[in-house]
Amino acid sequence: QKEVEQNSGPLSVPEGAIASLNCTYSDRGSQSFFWYRQYSGKSPELIMFIYSNGDKEDGRFTAQLNKASQYVSLLIRDSQPSDSATYLCAVINTGTASKLTFGTGTRLQVTL
Amino acid sequence: KAGVTQTPRYLIKTRGQQVTLSCSPISGHRSVSWYQQTPGQGLQFLFEYFSETQRNKGNFPGRFSGRQFSNSRSEMNVSTLELGDSALYLCASSFQGNTEAFFGQGTRLTVV
Repeated sequence: QKEVEQNSGPLSVPEGAIASLNCTYSDRGSQSFFWYRQYSGKSPELIMFIYSNGDKEDGRFTAQLNKASQYVSLLIRDSQPSDSATYLCAVINTGTASKLTFGTGTRLQVTL
Repeated sequence: KAGVTQTPRYLIKTRGQQVTLSCSPISGHRSVSWYQQTPGQGLQFLFEYFSETQRNKGNFPGRFSGRQFSNSRSEMNVSTLELGDSALYLCASSFQGNTEAFFGQGTRLTVV
């Protein structure tokens, strides 16, 4: 079982719709959770982080964390073509406090 | 506030050579981590430095090494390059390692 799992996609959503990206993790000791956006040929860009159970909203983005289910998600409201990218989920485990463990990423395509 | 700066951006090296990559973190950040990104393996953690000490190390051979200077700048060295070392090498800076990490633009290394 991979430590951090994401559906590779592509996830295709029409412009203006809500995109829902999901991530599960295996280590119950995971303490910090991050979502990065990566455009082709570019480096990852941090878009959201969440440390506590529940929802965290920032503009069009909402991160949701459920530690009991070991599940973290990212919602993108009013999706735009510029949101088309690969979204990487990353976690920090308690035992390796400075190491980000990444999923393989979900490719999102926002269609006109 | 300046972001994370990696140099050089591109490198072409021959098998058997060695290479040194440089990373300047965001001002005030004391943690610098290095990652390798390849299409097949995704983002893999190499190592992390905090206050000139390596705190965490990934599963890479000893040919991969690093160091951090008193000004928090970090270098990564790869000796005896192999074709499989061709990848995007990313540096990430964070305040103390277990908080939000920001990536540099990366160094794309091609080994021929």
